[in-house]
Amino acid sequence: DIQMTQSPSTLSASVGDRVTITCRASQSINSWLAWYQQKPGRVPDLLIYKASTLESGVPSRFSGSGSGTEFTLTISGLQPDDIATYYCQYYNSYPYMYSFGQGTIVEIK
Amino acid sequence: QVQLVQSGSEVKKPGASVKLSCKASGYPFTSYPINWVRQAPGQGLEWMGWISTHSGNPTYAQGFTGRFVFSLDTSVGTAYLQINTLKGEDTAVYYCARPGILDTFDIWGQGTMVTVSS
Repeated sequence: DIQMTQSPSTLSASVGDRVTITCRASQSINSWLAWYQQKPGRVPDLLIYKASTLESGVPSRFSGSGSGTEFTLTISGLQPDDIATYYCQYYNSYPYMYSFGQGTIVEIK
Repeated sequence: QVQLVQSGSEVKKPGASVKLSCKASGYPFTSYPINWVRQAPGQGLEWMGWISTHSGNPTYAQGFTGRFVFSLDTSVGTAYLQINTLKGEDTAVYYCARPGILDTFDIWGQGTMVTVSS
């Protein structure tokens, strides 16, 4: 099975900072990587799919990059509304296979 | 609108069983599989596996074989997750989720909290 590893586990930054979260796959997953945002008590929301494509309605301060085994999620200009836990997810169809990273908690300093 | 509506919270004793439901609406039920995701208190998301709503064939992720059973009732557009021989570590929120045309999870149920306690 493919394992996804995120770093850091927790990130504390100031409003306006550029924030980067890294996700590594245990083997190459091409660009089959999604990022989700989960606010406390809420269901996860899809931010980015295929490593770098922004989901409709997601603010442009969010961006994703990478391919193969290393990926990043960047928030350019952290906002108070971005306080959440962020998860990367490997996904594959036919047969369906998914794997989540362990999550990164983003806090305001 | 397209939605998945899950059954309400459950409190069970260790050793008991529980059956959770996930009712789909707003789209042809058999056109998309249903996935199950577990989130223990304060922990991350764990993919449990999926069930084909076309064939009824379940696939379980590593760590979710044996006590976990996915099933369907296509006549009412509902997927089920049964957990047998409940343990304390089964205490979690269980989500059903539907992959869209991009295969990512675009529709989530609201989650069902299962508490296992003596």
